[in-house]
Amino acid sequence: EAGVTQFPSHSVIEKGQTVTLRCDPISGHDNLYWYRRVMGKEIKFLLHFVKESKQDESGMPNNRFLAERTGGTYSTLKVQPAELEDSGVYFCASSPSQAYNEQFFGPGTRLTVL
Amino acid sequence: GNSVTQMEGPVTLSEEAFLTINCTYTATGYPSLFWYVQYPGEGLQLLLKATKADDKGSNKGFEATYRKETTSFHLEKGSVQVSDSAVYFCALRPAGGTSYGKLTFGQGTILTVHP
Repeated sequence: EAGVTQFPSHSVIEKGQTVTLRCDPISGHDNLYWYRRVMGKEIKFLLHFVKESKQDESGMPNNRFLAERTGGTYSTLKVQPAELEDSGVYFCASSPSQAYNEQFFGPGTRLTVL
Repeated sequence: GNSVTQMEGPVTLSEEAFLTINCTYTATGYPSLFWYVQYPGEGLQLLLKATKADDKGSNKGFEATYRKETTSFHLEKGSVQVSDSAVYFCALRPAGGTSYGKLTFGQGTILTVHP
């Protein structure tokens, strides 16, 4: 069974540009989460989808971030326009509908904003 | 709000040494507690978990006990190996509410084990 995959693995962009990160959860997992780790700091929650609906978006930092999960399968996280402080590693995780206790994480996307 | 505090790293040990990484938390009610590990070049993996007070989670020789009275979930291993070199994250998930899926992480502890 394939794990959580994320694309791209690395992205380097200029301040003011737009970047879109993609996450493919484990097949059949209704829950999908986004987290990010800014350099040297703790991993912080961004949001939680249940199927295509946003269950909790309390961690989204501002309106430059837009997350979608059309059809309840893969998800995208768009940053527009990117700022220097958006640099970090963005992790996606998924979990089955009845097993909230274990979230399976992807390898992360390292975003660098210059 | 909820928070997790981990001991500052990095931690450097010789092979077969005893490991303790301290973790304390602040949360209402009875959260679930987790240790995740990130090996070089990989994503986070669940190492162990405990869902209620006095539960002991264990895996790969690592153990942690959910202590409600001290709000702690310290990670221990009796004899570390070079292959245990990684970053370790303590985390909690609330018992309920709208944010039931939200993991709150500590800052991570880098462990390096030398032969």
